[in-house]
Amino acid sequence: DAKTTQPPSMDCAEGRAANLPCNHSTISGNEYVYWYRQIHSQGPQYIIHGLKNNETNEMASLIITEDRKSSTLILPHATLRDTAVYYCIVRVGGTGGFKTIFGAGTRLFVKA
Amino acid sequence: KAGVTQTPRYLIKTRGQQVTLSCSPISGHRSVSWYQQTPGQGLQFLFEYFSETQRNKGNFPGRFSGRQFSNSRSEMNVSTLELGDSALYLCASSRGQGMPDTQYFGPGTRLTVL
Repeated sequence: DAKTTQPPSMDCAEGRAANLPCNHSTISGNEYVYWYRQIHSQGPQYIIHGLKNNETNEMASLIITEDRKSSTLILPHATLRDTAVYYCIVRVGGTGGFKTIFGAGTRLFVKA
Repeated sequence: KAGVTQTPRYLIKTRGQQVTLSCSPISGHRSVSWYQQTPGQGLQFLFEYFSETQRNKGNFPGRFSGRQFSNSRSEMNVSTLELGDSALYLCASSRGQGMPDTQYFGPGTRLTVL
């Protein structure tokens, strides 16, 4: 079962900030939160990741709550090209390898 | 730096046949994971290879198998194809050691089983 829950869909006006929430209430201390997006059945595109601090890169910002049970991906100025399915996942690994479980994601519609 | 490449991009097979898909990871990446994506089941983890060894496996039947070569390139094989195997098959590569370990996905192979 997926370790994250996300709303199935969201709308956002072009030029406005898109705030995509994710719950990961069972996250453990060494699990990272990752965000990917997928456009038109292309391969998922990496966006950003974090452990406990807020993170920002050229694509987005990631806000993780202090208890780490939820996070929010922020696209500061959404464009039509940001319409995609956004996946929030948790990932941990070690000598035993990695096994990433994807949930259903959030379908973001950016409207003109 | 070149990204993850997958070949072929599209494939049409008939039931009962077998198929082999190929994945070339990002240079320096030693871990390759495979995923199946269907409209009904979403993205499902198949298996992960690291240094030519399968380290993790999802819940798929034995008809799905894979291997990894010494140059980290990986192949995935599906034998005795069924209609339900029609899907987008994605591979992702990462360093495979230490955290964070970020996966980067290829464009996928679209398999259609008739």
